[in-house]
Amino acid sequence: DIVMTQGALPNPVPSGESASITCQSSKSLLHSNGKTYLNWYLQRPGQSPQLLIYWMSTRASGVSDRFSGSGSGTDFTLKISSVEAEDVGVYYCQQFLEYPLTFGSGTKLEIK
Amino acid sequence: QVTLKESGPGILQPSQTLSLTCTFSGFSLSTYGMGVGWIRQPSGKGLEWLANIWWDDDKYYNPSLKNRLTISKDTSNNQAFLKITNVDTADTATYYCARITTHGRFAYWGQGTLVTVSS
Repeated sequence: DIVMTQGALPNPVPSGESASITCQSSKSLLHSNGKTYLNWYLQRPGQSPQLLIYWMSTRASGVSDRFSGSGSGTDFTLKISSVEAEDVGVYYCQQFLEYPLTFGSGTKLEIK
Repeated sequence: QVTLKESGPGILQPSQTLSLTCTFSGFSLSTYGMGVGWIRQPSGKGLEWLANIWWDDDKYYNPSLKNRLTISKDTSNNQAFLKITNVDTADTATYYCARITTHGRFAYWGQGTLVTVSS
């Protein structure tokens, strides 16, 4: 199974500052088609997860451009520029390269 | 507009079979490239993928649940189903269904249904 390992944030993050969340996969998520099958989700308190980023760096429809994804085949970063109160929640990375699909353990963001 | 909604028994006893239904709109499971996945989340914990079913009836399961899972669909009624046999307290969780495509992402999620296993 591909293991997804997420880093922690130095909470709380001051409002208006940027925050970067890291995720590492135990195997390259680069597909032969050139796409990297790494997704990012945000789960706000009491809500279902919502897709933020897919293919490592493509923002999902309606997602603020304050969110950006980057990385290589195994090391990934979700950057949130100028964090706001609505960004509070738990962020998950997830690989869709091969079965079984796996998620990271989540990274909690708190705002000061 | 894509929507999904999960339904389940709420509470059941150990050793029983859990039956979950995902009723969706805005897409069809008979359309090439479409699929539905099931994911669960114990209270206060992370996300665990359970199973996917695709438009061509291809199915994939999380091997950690061994042979306890069965996923199916009713294309005519826009529903997907998940059965988990021989449940125990470790299966207590919120269960989500989500739309997937061959592009490889859970783009739309339901609100989740809480299932409690208790004697």
